[in-house]
Amino acid sequence: GAVVSQHPSRVICKSGTSVKIECRSLDFQATTMFWYRQFPKQSLMLMATSNEGSKATYEQGVEKDKFLINHASLTLSTLTVTSAHPEDSSFYICSARSPGLDGGARETQYFGPGTRLLVL
Amino acid sequence: SQQGEEDPQALSIQEGENATMNCSYKTSINNLQWYRQNSGRGLVHLILIRSNEREKHSGRLRVTLDTSKKSSSLLITASRAADTASYFCATLYSGYSTLTFGKGTMLLVSP
Repeated sequence: GAVVSQHPSRVICKSGTSVKIECRSLDFQATTMFWYRQFPKQSLMLMATSNEGSKATYEQGVEKDKFLINHASLTLSTLTVTSAHPEDSSFYICSARSPGLDGGARETQYFGPGTRLLVL
Repeated sequence: SQQGEEDPQALSIQEGENATMNCSYKTSINNLQWYRQNSGRGLVHLILIRSNEREKHSGRLRVTLDTSKKSSSLLITASRAADTASYFCATLYSGYSTLTFGKGTMLLVSP
């Protein structure tokens, strides 16, 4: 159990276009989802936290108008990179958390397989 | 920055040997978690150790936590080529609800 999927797994787009990445919890309801960005051979940097039905909380330095996050249901969150530029090329990973999965502790996150974005 | 540090940055060993990775963090934590990431893939949760625990085991994994030194170690015993991956520690700092990831250790296990 506790499977998180992401779609697409890889996307190449032209500079100036927008790209939407989906994150789904397949077998549980995710009250909270997280979006991370990872550069090659580096750690994960948290971009934002989204709770179902409310606005996302963005980390310092992350442009909310650039990276639009929607968490419309308990199983789906989307990240839209608007007007993408080459510097937005990165590996984007989502994760989901549910208190029901670890006895209410809300401690464990389940990660998706990631989406590699290349902006030309 | 609250980001922790892992060492070594890279570790290369032979199959059958043990691999030890260390993680240091900055302030008091609720728990510390270890994750594994295969190249170009998502993260897999390995083990969680709470601030009031000192040692935990899961299969070939052994995690220790020393809150006085603000450090943790992950030991993989009898390593296999399939253990080749990057390993990250992540801390849940007290008063926070999000994880802070360390920089990771790249482990290469040669047959």
